[in-house]
Amino acid sequence: KAGVTQTPRYLIKTRGQQVTLSCSPISGHRSVSWYQQTPGQGLQFLFEYFSETQRNKGNFPGRFSGRQFSNSRSEMNVSTLELGDSALYLCASSLRQGATGGERTEAFFGQGTRLTVV
Amino acid sequence: QKEVEQNSGPLSVPEGAIASLNCTYSDRVSQSFFWYRQYSGKSPELIMSIYSNGDKEDGRFTAQLNKASQYVSLLIRDSQPSDSATYLCAPKGSNYQLIWGAGTKLIIKP
Repeated sequence: KAGVTQTPRYLIKTRGQQVTLSCSPISGHRSVSWYQQTPGQGLQFLFEYFSETQRNKGNFPGRFSGRQFSNSRSEMNVSTLELGDSALYLCASSLRQGATGGERTEAFFGQGTRLTVV
Repeated sequence: QKEVEQNSGPLSVPEGAIASLNCTYSDRVSQSFFWYRQYSGKSPELIMSIYSNGDKEDGRFTAQLNKASQYVSLLIRDSQPSDSATYLCAPKGSNYQLIWGAGTKLIIKP
């Protein structure tokens, strides 16, 4: 069973540009969550998508956006890049239980996209 | 008070000894708890999940959960240098999102 695939693995962009990152979840997983991790910092939650709808959102500016397609693949976009956006961007996929379901879900991470803004 | 508290370390343990990693959380609704291992520059890797009070063993790893005390721990027996990494505790909150601790850096000394 293939794992979570993130592309590209590395990216160098200039301030002011925009960037799109892609995440293909594990087959059968319908939830994709995105995180930002900077050196020495913990995982900062960006947003979660489930069934093509954003279900949860972290405390990031509107320059950070995302979407999910019908095949559960997800993209995140960062517009007007700033130097502080340099980070490892991670996506994690999981089965997401409904309100009456169990919570025995596990999240699996992709290898991440390392974005450097210069 | 942080939602998830972990000792940032570094925690230094001799090779072959038991490493004990601790985590407290504030969300009493949490029912699922996960431990991830993250090597420097890599993505987190799920190593243990636990849902019920008590102990759960998987190879050299044992997770312990006490919901009344809002405490979860991870024991690593016969520690190896390859266990040197940052260990992240992540309870799942009521909105199905993982709540992340800052992680404990573990160093196994040969």
